[in-house]
Amino acid sequence: DAKTTQPPSMDCAEGRAANLPCNHSTISGNEYVYWYRQIHSQGPQYIIHGLKNNETNEMASLIITEDRKSSTLILPHATLRDTAVYYCIVRVAWADRGSTLGRLYFGRGTQLTVWP
Amino acid sequence: NAGVMQNPRHLVRRRGQEARLRCSPMKGHSHVYWYRQLPEEGLKFMVYLQKENIIDESGMPKERFSAEFPKEGPSILRIQQVVRGDSAAYFCASSIIADTQYFGPGTRLTVL
Repeated sequence: DAKTTQPPSMDCAEGRAANLPCNHSTISGNEYVYWYRQIHSQGPQYIIHGLKNNETNEMASLIITEDRKSSTLILPHATLRDTAVYYCIVRVAWADRGSTLGRLYFGRGTQLTVWP
Repeated sequence: NAGVMQNPRHLVRRRGQEARLRCSPMKGHSHVYWYRQLPEEGLKFMVYLQKENIIDESGMPKERFSAEFPKEGPSILRIQQVVRGDSAAYFCASSIIADTQYFGPGTRLTVL
């Protein structure tokens, strides 16, 4: 039921920016784009989310295209500890959420490997 | 502010025994979600609870599995008569309202 498409794997050199793409061509106007990552079977870690404007926090930046059909997660200076599976998830905003819409659909994600 | 806590972190059960997994949400969070991750697979939603209420259990197996989130205390995921196919990592997440979910470290269940 995942509504997103991500490449299965990507590599990035340490210290360089990692740009992880995500396609969500069927996204609805009331749906946010969320990014999580999972480091080696640990619990998923929330990274960032956005609706239509670009967002930045201490971990990453999220760039959403104007038509909202795709987005890119940017880790500006990747480190070895950023090696993880990154998940792009779309979900409705809380104000519109019904009982069955609280769940997150995790697809296969992108395995990002940062090498020295 | 402590994050989501889960215990035990590792649980070993023999076939036919019961497994109880506990989840304490972040302070101030009244929404709890359980997910399961089978070996080499992605996370799958199981159940969504608010205090004393099950909101969505459509991802729960129909038999042997149950969940609760009482007024006081942690949320409990209970698996009765465990089988080897129940071996997995079980993750709990919590949120203030039905918004951004924060995950715990998980409980790794091994059924012998």
